[in-house]
Amino acid sequence: NAGVMQNPRHLVRRRGQEARLRCSPMKGHSHVYWYRQLPEEGLKFMVYLQKENIIDESGMPKERFSAEFPKEGPSILRIQQVVRGDSAAYFCASSPRSGKNEQFFGPGTRLTVL
Amino acid sequence: DAKTTQPPSMDCAEGRAANLPCNHSTISGNEYVYWYRQIHSQGPQYIIHGLKNNETNEMASLIITEDRKSSTLILPHATLRDTAVYYCIVRLPLSSNTGKLIFGQGTTLQVKP
Repeated sequence: NAGVMQNPRHLVRRRGQEARLRCSPMKGHSHVYWYRQLPEEGLKFMVYLQKENIIDESGMPKERFSAEFPKEGPSILRIQQVVRGDSAAYFCASSPRSGKNEQFFGPGTRLTVL
Repeated sequence: DAKTTQPPSMDCAEGRAANLPCNHSTISGNEYVYWYRQIHSQGPQYIIHGLKNNETNEMASLIITEDRKSSTLILPHATLRDTAVYYCIVRLPLSSNTGKLIFGQGTTLQVKP
């Protein structure tokens, strides 16, 4: 059973461009979470999604950031008009529909904004 | 979610047990204690979780005090590959619909040869 997959692993964007980060949860998992880790800081929750629904977006910046988890395909974290302060590691985690509550994390996408 | 307090850093000799403490004095009755670790630059890794009883799995043991105000993660035979930041997190169960994990600063465990 493959783990949580994220791509790309490294992404370089210039200021003002768009960044699209993808997350494929583990097979059978229908809950996806996105976290951000700024340089030398801890992990911060961003958004929690189930298939086609945003359940908790309390950690998402109000502007430029959006997330989706469509019925088919990976979850996408989209950052429009990136700024240097968006440079960070973005981690995705998934958990199963019911039963065990632990979250399984992917390897992360490291976004660098030039 | 209840706040947790952990020492910022600890050292442990290779092959010895590593005991990582966590205080969560404001924990409520239906909140679980979770432990994750993050090995340099990698995604966090789930270790173990518990509610009231002590728990053990292939990675570690979790000892929760009777009043549930503190807990200890035990790595029975630490290896150099256990060097990581260890996070103690208190959270509601998934059924509460608040699935987010709130990470503190964690404890940086350095296992030394």
